[in-house]
Amino acid sequence: AQSVSQHNHHVILSEAASLELGCNYSYGGTVNLFWYVQYPGQHLQLLLKYFSGDPLVKGIKGFEAEFIKSKFSFNLRKPSVQWSDTAEYFCAVSGGATNKLIFGTGTLLAVQP
Amino acid sequence: SQTIHQWPATLVQPVGSPLSLECTVEGTSNPNLYWYRQAAGRGLQLLFYSVGIGQISSEVPQNLSASRPQDRQFILSSKKLLLSDSGFYLCAWSVLVSGSKQFFGPGTRLTVL
Repeated sequence: AQSVSQHNHHVILSEAASLELGCNYSYGGTVNLFWYVQYPGQHLQLLLKYFSGDPLVKGIKGFEAEFIKSKFSFNLRKPSVQWSDTAEYFCAVSGGATNKLIFGTGTLLAVQP
Repeated sequence: SQTIHQWPATLVQPVGSPLSLECTVEGTSNPNLYWYRQAAGRGLQLLFYSVGIGQISSEVPQNLSASRPQDRQFILSSKKLLLSDSGFYLCAWSVLVSGSKQFFGPGTRLTVL
């Protein structure tokens, strides 16, 4: 069965700290991987995505994620977080013609100034 | 440009009452449409998706149903709400290409009392 696991449910960091959010997936076949972010009071929006090619993907606002096929992982990283990065982050996987997304449970990130 | 609308924004309903949430998309034709529910501590769960008018696929058995009477209209319904139906309901659309990102609406906060 298709599934996505996010191991960190709640993360609290100080500004300038480095961030890594874990994401592991289980999916048969070719996958597309996504990180979505939901800032307080805003819509879900795409942070970055991986389809193929370079496994290191760069997204908006200095975020990046690395696809490691052997580990079924797609961890999100940022070298130095800011207070404005406070949000909920969702890892998701899709595949097939219907393009339906399977989401992880999300990680709430709180960055303290 | 494409936009996605959901209404109402918030809804408080008694147990056993009916439900109708509406989602419309503008600026695109023949989109894939999706309903997700975000429940506290459970992340985003795909409820239904549709690849065309009248075509609905259900991901999770429950007392909810979905309909797509027009190309860019997606409705989520229930005949009798349960307490467990409380949550944040998100509509999303994507183009009919595998791996395309999804665009999310503003969501409806449903509280069942």
